Amino acid sequence: DTGVSQDPRHKITKRGQNVTFRCDPISEHNRLYWYRQTLGQGPEFLTYFQNEAQLEKSRLLSDRFSAERPKGSFSTLEIQRTEQGDSAMYLCASSGDGTGANVLTFGAGSRLTVL
Amino acid sequence: QKEVEQDPGPLSVPEGAIVSLNCTYSNSAFQYFMWYRQYSRKGPELLMYTYSSGNKEDGRFTAQVDKSSKYISLFIRDSQPSDSATYLCAPSPTSSYKLIFGSGTRLLVRP
Repeated sequence: DTGVSQDPRHKITKRGQNVTFRCDPISEHNRLYWYRQTLGQGPEFLTYFQNEAQLEKSRLLSDRFSAERPKGSFSTLEIQRTEQGDSAMYLCASSGDGTGANVLTFGAGSRLTVL
Repeated sequence: QKEVEQDPGPLSVPEGAIVSLNCTYSNSAFQYFMWYRQYSRKGPELLMYTYSSGNKEDGRFTAQVDKSSKYISLFIRDSQPSDSATYLCAPSPTSSYKLIFGSGTRLLVRP
């Protein structure tokens, strides 16, 4: 297992365009998380999946953001009509259940630059 | 007031120094206390974590939690240039899947 994989690593787009990020979690992990990190700040929680069910969405996740995890494996995060304020690192993480639930393994992140 | 406060640094020390990194938090429900290390342009990686109060040691790293004062510390002994990174504290309640990260302290260890 190669850990949590994210693609693309860097995306540059123009304001108003749509972008999609993909995350492949550790295969035996059924929990998947999306976080956003801006320069000089710690990661902020966006949303959480238990298998294919999206169980929580942060108020940071506006209507332009949508996340899916169709078969409980990989996940996608789509941002529609991007704005300059969306420029950030989008981090995916996964974890197991039980005592390991708080132990998140992060991917390398997808950096978004909106021009 | 933020739930988790962390001095952003940067903290610059010579190689071999003992480093102390600290966080304060406000939520009494926090029971798990994580420390993540993040190199530039990489995702955070878990260094170590403690449950409730007390100390935990792992090699050159020691995590300490004082719940009475809501104070979390990470000590690094014999610091190395490879320890240069941003260190993020992330406490959470027992049953929560959602980590609340501090803003991170940037550490630079000079050769």
